[in-house]
Amino acid sequence: EPEVTQTPSHQVTQMGQEVILRCVPISNHLYFYWYRQILGQKVEFLVSFYNNEISEKSEIFDDQFSVERPDGSNFTLKIRSTKLEDSAMYFCASINTVNTEAFFGQGTRLTVV
Amino acid sequence: GESVGLHLPTLSVQEGDNSIINCAYSNSASDYFIWYKQESGKGPQFIIDIRSNMDKRQGQRVTVLLNKTVKHLSLQIAATQPGDSAVYFCAENPPFSNTGKLIFGQGTTLQVKP
Repeated sequence: EPEVTQTPSHQVTQMGQEVILRCVPISNHLYFYWYRQILGQKVEFLVSFYNNEISEKSEIFDDQFSVERPDGSNFTLKIRSTKLEDSAMYFCASINTVNTEAFFGQGTRLTVV
Repeated sequence: GESVGLHLPTLSVQEGDNSIINCAYSNSASDYFIWYKQESGKGPQFIIDIRSNMDKRQGQRVTVLLNKTVKHLSLQIAATQPGDSAVYFCAENPPFSNTGKLIFGQGTTLQVKP
């Protein structure tokens, strides 16, 4: 069964450092997303990406965040200068067409110390 | 504003009983809804979806009901098993967004007692 893969599974970083979270979406999918889940809370939308550009972003996705699809398979989320409140699980997701099942990766647990 | 919520934070059921998890949504124009299951330390796992032109959809041991009149979504799990223990989220694709993003509710923790 196809799956979304994310690396690393856990990342610990010091406040102010840059982190890059990596994702490999399902190969024939066209829409890509990053979501965030603070411990014990709901999953929150960060950004959607289609046709090599951001199609929508939430208020959380400020100038410290960026996304990139550097090649035909990887999809990355970069946080330029991490803050303590960026500590969360970050999930990558992909879909083939709008209003169909979104497949989620297993997540990267980001801990900012 | 955009919000999808759940009525109960925790639901405890006996193994073998049926479970009903509820969700209220606020966007009456939303046309696509999904239920996800999330086990500890894992990503959301798709259970079942429903479009707004339907009232009911059945899968294997699960049924989703959509009541557009009161903006209510429910997930029914038949013969609940210990492996069903998890957090369940409803999510909607909000109107006026053609990006496929999902807005999640708060989640209900389902505990299955043996």
